[in-house]
Amino acid sequence: GENVEQHPSTLSVQEGDSAVIKCTYSDSASNYFPWYKQELGKGPQLIIDIRSNVGEKKDQRIAVTLNKTAKHFSLHITETQPEDSAVYFCAASMDSNYQLIWGAGTKLIIKP
Amino acid sequence: DSGVTQTPKHLITATGQRVTLRCSPRSGDLSVYWYQQSLDQGLQFLIHYYNGEERAKGNILERFSAQQFPDLHSELNLSSLELGDSALYFCASSEDRGYGYTFGSGTRLTVV
Repeated sequence: GENVEQHPSTLSVQEGDSAVIKCTYSDSASNYFPWYKQELGKGPQLIIDIRSNVGEKKDQRIAVTLNKTAKHFSLHITETQPEDSAVYFCAASMDSNYQLIWGAGTKLIIKP
Repeated sequence: DSGVTQTPKHLITATGQRVTLRCSPRSGDLSVYWYQQSLDQGLQFLIHYYNGEERAKGNILERFSAQQFPDLHSELNLSSLELGDSALYFCASSEDRGYGYTFGSGTRLTVV
């Protein structure tokens, strides 16, 4: 079955710098790749997603890139701010089922 | 407010007891997913219901069961509770094929 690996497990960046979180997936049939942000004590919240017919998607300071050949996708956060501190999860799914396969999460720490 | 309602928010109970967690999905969503998240851990998929029918099971213990009712709300029943069952339990809903999960704020279960 599908497997999603996420790196790094912890990422510490200076406020204002960029942060990049990477995920790889194993099943080439996967075609939907969302990213979720989980703040302390809250449920995960969808922040951006991408489908396999698109290579890149941007939403203000957040972007996701997808390399289908290499089977990896990345979350890019520019001009990081203290409120970006959270745990970020990537996931993958395919049309043949309803299930999201999740990465293990990345704890992003923004240093003032 | 995400539109997914989970009750109760907090629950403290003793080992060996049984509890029921409740989830009301976002209006129009037919799928309900249950997840367990232990301290500083990732999201462990438990079970998925679609329009009242069980669609997939993850790492759900035999002591745990769930159902989705005709009004689409769902309940997760946890019995013979052990200390290790202490965790955050999240419910998520989606309209269709797993795209755009919306999570509730979770139920924090503490078994003492």
